[in-house]
Amino acid sequence: DIQMTQSPSSLSASVGDRVTITCRASQSISTYLHWYQHKPGKVPKLLIFAASSLHSGVPSRFSGSGSGTDFTLTISSLQPEDFATYYCQQSYSDRTFGQGTKVEI
Amino acid sequence: QVQLQESGPGLVKPSQTLSLTCTVSGDSITSGGYYWTWIRQQPGKGLEWVGYIYHSGATFYTPSLKSRLTMSIDTSNNQFSLSLNSVTAADTAMYYCARDPHRGYFDLWGQGMLVTVSS
Repeated sequence: DIQMTQSPSSLSASVGDRVTITCRASQSISTYLHWYQHKPGKVPKLLIFAASSLHSGVPSRFSGSGSGTDFTLTISSLQPEDFATYYCQQSYSDRTFGQGTKVEI
Repeated sequence: QVQLQESGPGLVKPSQTLSLTCTVSGDSITSGGYYWTWIRQQPGKGLEWVGYIYHSGATFYTPSLKSRLTMSIDTSNNQFSLSLNSVTAADTAMYYCARDPHRGYFDLWGQGMLVTVSS
């Protein structure tokens, strides 16, 4: 099984901050890595697919990078609606999610 | 506009079978070559991929649930289903159905269905 480890598990930030979340795979997964945003009581929302491709309708302040085992999700200027939990997910072998990173005020 | 909607009992007794159905509206379940997927989130925990089914009936399950899990598809009613037997309290979760466009990610989700396992 491929394990996905996100860091940090939580972070505190302010509106306007640049936020970076890291996801590490237990083995190389090329760019089979995707990012989601999940707010309490809401449905998870796809942000980035294939490591760096922005999903339709997602604001350009979200970006993704990486390949192999190390990946990052960056929010260039945090907005009030961005406070949520973020998950990475691999699809190189089966599908596995990271444990999540909660972005708090 | 394609939509997914989960349905089924919200309460299941321990050792019994948890059964959920996802209804796809707005498009045929056989079009697009999608993997029709189940994902769950146990209370206070992260997202867990459960498995998927293709319109041909081919399935792929997460190893940890494989021995208790069955997925099926009803193309005439545009639905796919999940059946998890011998449930315990650990199977209490929000269950989501989702669509994987054969590219490994989930671009469309149902609203989710909370299932509680309790006597």
